[in-house]
Amino acid sequence: DGGITQSPKYLFRKEGQNVTLSCEQNLNHDAMYWYRQDPGQGLRLIYYSQIVNDFQKGDIAEGYSVSREKKESFPLTVTSAQKNPTAFYLCASRIRGTGELFFGEGSRLTVL
Amino acid sequence: EDQVTQSPEALRLQEGESSSLNCSYTVSGLRGLFWYRQDPGKGPEFLFTLYSAGEEKEKERLKATLTKKESFLHITAPKPEDSATYLCAVCSNNNDMRFGAGTRLTVKP
Repeated sequence: DGGITQSPKYLFRKEGQNVTLSCEQNLNHDAMYWYRQDPGQGLRLIYYSQIVNDFQKGDIAEGYSVSREKKESFPLTVTSAQKNPTAFYLCASRIRGTGELFFGEGSRLTVL
Repeated sequence: EDQVTQSPEALRLQEGESSSLNCSYTVSGLRGLFWYRQDPGKGPEFLFTLYSAGEEKEKERLKATLTKKESFLHITAPKPEDSATYLCAVCSNNNDMRFGAGTRLTVKP
């Protein structure tokens, strides 16, 4: 079945460590997105990519980095520069344009 | 700046008690308004897309409507399995997708 796979589902990190969240899609979508979700707040855009080898910052990119070397993959690295990284991270994709987003199941990161 | 406001933040209903969720928006050129359902600890699941004022979409007990300033998600005779957080999002002329904070719906049997 086509879909978006995020891993790991749960991740614990010590302060000062970088962690990378994986996002893979087999929907043949051009555009991929990373959102952060905190309790009581809407989804906030971290980074997005419309095509391979190109990506743009969203509203809250500071402390995060991404790469888009393959159409299917859009990993997110949460660096030690991110001051409050504990959150639920969602990866999404869509056909380039204005269509609906398809989401993965999310990755919950907890900083100890 | 584009803004999306959902109300109420939380809604508790008895099974069978119909109600509506509101999504008010301010956007520079609406290219689409989207409704999603999100269960705890899961990713959002797409429900509807509305493109122009007056448009309506239905799916089982849910019906979404759109005006120039807001959208409503009407829930008719809800069941406990309809309990979830419902998210609204708007896509503007620059293709940005802006989300509201969601309405957490609880349906008691």
